[in-house]
Amino acid sequence: DVVMTQSPLSLPVTLGQPASISCRSSQSLLYGDGNTYLNWFHQRPGQSPRRLIYKVSNRDSGVPDRFSGSGSGSDFTLTISRVEAEDVGVYYCMQGTHWPRSFGQGTKLEIK
Amino acid sequence: EVQLVQSGAEVKKPGESLKISCKASGYSFSNYWITWVRQMPGKGLEWMGVIFPGDSDARYGPSFQGQVTISVDKSINAAYLHWTNLKASDTATYYCATSITVSDYWGQGTRVTVSS
Repeated sequence: DVVMTQSPLSLPVTLGQPASISCRSSQSLLYGDGNTYLNWFHQRPGQSPRRLIYKVSNRDSGVPDRFSGSGSGSDFTLTISRVEAEDVGVYYCMQGTHWPRSFGQGTKLEIK
Repeated sequence: EVQLVQSGAEVKKPGESLKISCKASGYSFSNYWITWVRQMPGKGLEWMGVIFPGDSDARYGPSFQGQVTISVDKSINAAYLHWTNLKASDTATYYCATSITVSDYWGQGTRVTVSS
């Protein structure tokens, strides 16, 4: 099974500063159709998760353009260009290439 | 408008059975996978399994195979998560979710508490 490893697990950030989260998979997430099925989710306390990014770098509708995703193969990054107060919560990567699907452990972003 | 509405919170005893639901609306239910995700108190997201309503093809994560059953009722556009022998360790919030073309939708979550 594919193991997803995120770092850091805790991310204190000053408002207006950038933030980056790394996600590494134990196998390549490149699928035979040429797509790489790596998603990023954000969960605020007490809320359902919300997908931010799909297929590595595609922003979901309504997601601010300060969020961007990059990477390939088994090494991926979520970047927030300027952190805002509403960005607090936990971020998860999830692979959708291999069965069973799997999430990373989560990265908790807080404001310093 | 696509919606996934989950059944309400449950409090059960160890050894009891339980079925929680996820009622879909606003799209062609049979054509898109429904995923179930577990979140234990204070912990991260765990992928439990998926089902394709069109043919009830279900796949499970290794920790959940044999522990829970995922099913659907296409006549009422509902997906289910079913336990026959609940354990205290099943205490968690359970989410259903679906992806339709380029959009992703989640239910509000169902909190299950298993305690003697």
